[in-house]
Amino acid sequence: DIQMTQSPSSLSASVGDRVTITCRASQSLGIFLNWYRHKPGQAPEVLIYSASTLQSGVPPRFSASGSGSEFTLTISSLQPEDFATYYCQQGYNSAGPTFGPGTKVEMK
Amino acid sequence: QVDLVQSGAEAKKPGASVKLSCQASGGKSLVKYGIHWVRQAPGQSLEWMGWVNAGNGDTKYSQKFQGRVTITRDTSATTAYMELSSLRSEDTAVYYCARAFGTVMAVMDVWGKGTTVSVSA
Repeated sequence: DIQMTQSPSSLSASVGDRVTITCRASQSLGIFLNWYRHKPGQAPEVLIYSASTLQSGVPPRFSASGSGSEFTLTISSLQPEDFATYYCQQGYNSAGPTFGPGTKVEMK
Repeated sequence: QVDLVQSGAEAKKPGASVKLSCQASGGKSLVKYGIHWVRQAPGQSLEWMGWVNAGNGDTKYSQKFQGRVTITRDTSATTAYMELSSLRSEDTAVYYCARAFGTVMAVMDVWGKGTTVSVSA
């Protein structure tokens, strides 16, 4: 099984802040890594797929990079709707996807 | 844009089974897609359970749930189902379905709103 880790597990930030989240995998994923935002009481939504491709309709304040086993998600200017939990997910293993433990972005 | 409409909340006793549904809005076909089932227990991360190819019915399951979960779709490929048996309290969670174009490895681009399953004696 591919193990996913994320850091930090939580962070406090203010509207307008730049936020960066890191995701690491136990083996190389190439670019088969996706990012999701999950607001409380709502369905998760994909932000980024294939490591760095912005999903249609997602604001450009979201960007991501990385390949292999280390990836980052950056929010350039945090907005009120971005206080949520962010998950990375590997899509490399044909046995099935795995999600990271999540990073909760809270209001400072 | 298609929505995935999930069935309503369920309350079950330990040892029972539950079957949840996930229907594409407007009767739209999911034949080119796969449907994943992902759950989130209270305070926990998202956990993948399994996937069905809505076109041909092929399935893949997480080893954790193998033998306890069955994922199917109707032959019109508009609705997917997830049945979980031998329920225990640890199965209390919100269960989501999510659409993915292509293989089990594809990104989940449309999600249902989730179904809450509570397991308690």
